[in-house]
Amino acid sequence: ILNVEQSPQSLHVQEGDSTNFTCSFPSSNFYALHWYRWETAKSPEALFVMTLNGDEKKKGRISATLNTKEGYSYLYIKGSQPEDSATYLCASRWYGNNRLAFGKGNQVVVIP
Amino acid sequence: EADIYQTPRYLVIGTGKKITLECSQTMGHDKMYWYQQDPGMELHLIHYSYGVNSTEKGDLSSESTVSRIRTEHFPLTLESARPSHTSQYLCASSEEAENTEAFFGQGTRLTVV
Repeated sequence: ILNVEQSPQSLHVQEGDSTNFTCSFPSSNFYALHWYRWETAKSPEALFVMTLNGDEKKKGRISATLNTKEGYSYLYIKGSQPEDSATYLCASRWYGNNRLAFGKGNQVVVIP
Repeated sequence: EADIYQTPRYLVIGTGKKITLECSQTMGHDKMYWYQQDPGMELHLIHYSYGVNSTEKGDLSSESTVSRIRTEHFPLTLESARPSHTSQYLCASSEEAENTEAFFGQGTRLTVV
């Protein structure tokens, strides 16, 4: 099983502050990277699917970047709001393995 | 809101009982998955299916079994539940095309006492 690492595992952010966290994955044979947001008592929902080195994607105040050569992705939240409180899951796929491998998640709590 | 549903949401059951966790999707997706997650740990793939009558074991060994008789339905069965099966089980589906997002159900939190 190929490992996907997410850090930090949990963080508290003051409302209005911006924050970011990291997803690291083996870069060899990289195929795709997914980010999901998982709010308590709800289903995980897809934020981004990224495949190209240097890719940047944005959805509202949330954005992500991808470096496939060094094997990492950053997720940024700009001007955090209480509704951003959730666990953010990163998952990667590699050539020759058609399944997603998930990290443990980044648990974000936005303090009003 | 994704059209994928899991029942029950919560289940507390005694050791030795047979249980079936239901998962249904109305999106016509061929690919469906079952993940298991213990507290503080990653989602681990335990079963997947690429279409009717197709099922495969995932990356994490599991004593559960699955079936895929209809496209929209992917139930997971434990013939004899044990406390070690206590976990959260998430069902997901995706389109046939590569690099498409997965749609998840809300999960079943299983406790075996």
